[in-house]
Amino acid sequence: QKEVEQDPGPLSVPEGAIVSLNCTYSNSAFQYFMWYRQYSRKGPELLMYTYSSGNKEDGRFTAQVDKSSKYISLFIRDSQPSDSATYLCAMRAGFGNEKLTFGTGTRLTIIP
Amino acid sequence: EAGVAQSPRYKIIEKRQSVAFWCNPISGHATLYWYQQILGQGPKLLIQFQNNGVVDDSQLPKDRFSAERLKGVDSTLKIQPAKLEDSAVYLCASSPRPVQGNYGYTFGSGTRLTVV
Repeated sequence: QKEVEQDPGPLSVPEGAIVSLNCTYSNSAFQYFMWYRQYSRKGPELLMYTYSSGNKEDGRFTAQVDKSSKYISLFIRDSQPSDSATYLCAMRAGFGNEKLTFGTGTRLTIIP
Repeated sequence: EAGVAQSPRYKIIEKRQSVAFWCNPISGHATLYWYQQILGQGPKLLIQFQNNGVVDDSQLPKDRFSAERLKGVDSTLKIQPAKLEDSAVYLCASSPRPVQGNYGYTFGSGTRLTVV
């Protein structure tokens, strides 16, 4: 079993749709949860950052963390063609442990 | 603020050849990371430096991979000899120390290696 599992696989949705991306994890030591966006032939860029359980909203993006279920989500509202990219969840343990463990990524395509 | 610089952007080599990648982190960032991203997978940490010391190299295939960070700034990752399964994007990232607040790495654009 992988330490971090991410779904769905490749996803295509029409412009304006709500997108839901999810990750589950097995390591209860993880406390910091991130979503990265990676455009083709670019490095990952930090999109959302959450510490412990709870919700965080930034514009059209909402990140949710449920540590009791070891489950995190990213929601994208009013999706735009510019949101087309690969989305990676990432997480790490406590202070002083900077190693990030990534999910496999979801390639998202927004159809105009 | 200038980003993390990596070179070359692309490299094609034959198996059993050697190759080296270079990374210049964001100025003042004490921690530097090399990640390997195989097509269709998330990045995997190869090695982490704190200044010029190694913090974590547990997933570095040390029989063929080596890395150094001289003077705590630039870093070089080398593969010798390369295997077909080394085909991947090699990402360099950096972060400040100590970790505070809204924290995340800054990644470079990566070096795409193809071993044929």
